[in-house]
Amino acid sequence: IQLTQSPSSLSASVGDRVTITCRASQGISSYLAWYQQKPGKAPKLLIYEASTLQTGVPSRFSGSGSGTGFTLTISSLQPEDFATYYCQQLNDYPVTFGQGTKLEIK
Amino acid sequence: EVQLVESGGGLVQPGGSLRLSCAASGFTFSDHYMDWVRQAPGKGLEWVGRSRNKANSYTTEYAASVKGRFTISRDESKNSLYLQMNSLKTDDTAVYYCAHPHSNNWGGAFDIWGLGTMVTVSS
Repeated sequence: IQLTQSPSSLSASVGDRVTITCRASQGISSYLAWYQQKPGKAPKLLIYEASTLQTGVPSRFSGSGSGTGFTLTISSLQPEDFATYYCQQLNDYPVTFGQGTKLEIK
Repeated sequence: EVQLVESGGGLVQPGGSLRLSCAASGFTFSDHYMDWVRQAPGKGLEWVGRSRNKANSYTTEYAASVKGRFTISRDESKNSLYLQMNSLKTDDTAVYYCAHPHSNNWGGAFDIWGLGTMVTVSS
């Protein structure tokens, strides 16, 4: 199952609302997760099962979608949110990741 | 505290072998699925493979890119996960992470990650 994220990169300002899209090549129910990764660090789980916020993740992060179309929204960007974001499908083997979206400061 | 610590990375020549280890603590290791994920320098995340739990006989799944060359195993007595890598190629150069799915069911996302260990395949 291929996952296509858009955009591949994004420039935004602190306080902006940002949306990242992940499209699956076939239906994956709600078995989609979102991760944040900063340079030199392991990924951090933000959202699982498309819309469930991982414990400890700020409520400005939200996820939605099912089937083949999913979105990650950050309601008001904070300085610590500038990072690369990946979607991941866990509906079938092989587990696959999107190519990533790099979120940069404008 | 739930923790994963990888070790065993290093420099190896093409065609060589290397075994990575992942020491787990803070949870009942035998009850949980475990995964390996890698990231080539400057690239995205790539799932490598999975070890199911003891109840599922520690059966394994692999990405097509490593199937037949890599083997995932466990030592229950040491709470450790292993990745035996044979016939290494330059394309296998990456940071290798072990990861813990939050559920053994479909949809179990990776809530715990190790810090990673770097593998460089070069002559």
